[in-house]
Amino acid sequence: DTGVSQDPRHKITKRGQNVTFRCDPISEHNRLYWYRQTLGQGPEFLTYFQNEAQLEKSRLLSDRFSAERPKGSFSTLEIQRTEQGDSAMYLCATSATGLNYEQYFGPGTRLTVT
Amino acid sequence: AQKITQTQPGMFVQEKEAVTLDCTYDTSDPSYGLFWYKQPSSGEMIFLIYQGSYDQQNATEGRYSLNFQKARKSANLVISASQLGDSAMYFCAMRSLQGAQKLVFGQGTRLTINP
Repeated sequence: DTGVSQDPRHKITKRGQNVTFRCDPISEHNRLYWYRQTLGQGPEFLTYFQNEAQLEKSRLLSDRFSAERPKGSFSTLEIQRTEQGDSAMYLCATSATGLNYEQYFGPGTRLTVT
Repeated sequence: AQKITQTQPGMFVQEKEAVTLDCTYDTSDPSYGLFWYKQPSSGEMIFLIYQGSYDQQNATEGRYSLNFQKARKSANLVISASQLGDSAMYFCAMRSLQGAQKLVFGQGTRLTINP
């Protein structure tokens, strides 16, 4: 499978715990994005990397959230001290460089905070 | 700021009929791209079709076409000859072609195809 992969697919955690999600991009894609989708809503942008550089962060990304892409390949999204409001689907997308290139999405990680 | 509006929360269509899903947008960017994605119940977002603001012709991809009316700021998705497998959430999205690369999504339309 040469698509975008995300791990884990589902995560249930207790409030206050830390969680980390991983995204593996399509190999030739140097742009990587994280989005969050809550029930009944469209995805909302969280952050964006070009290679290893984090170029944009949304105001949705509070200081409890941190994302990395250490070697310009896979990326991790960590949420510290989870809250019930963090329950959502976390989507990773990647694209090639250029004006017209569409973003290809992974299957997402569904987080439930109890 | 960019904004996408999808005014149809749900649509019900008979199999084999054509269906139009509405999308209007607002932006001050001079050049931008418009996208449609399909999200089945399994959750993955599937890219369907792209239209650049500078494109003279409406985009088509198989049974999908994008009715782009720039002056009205609309980018409606037309699905011809609908199939049962088309039942899903459909999201309209846009991004600037300058600077910020993020996609801005609408709230989606749930399409149900009846046999």
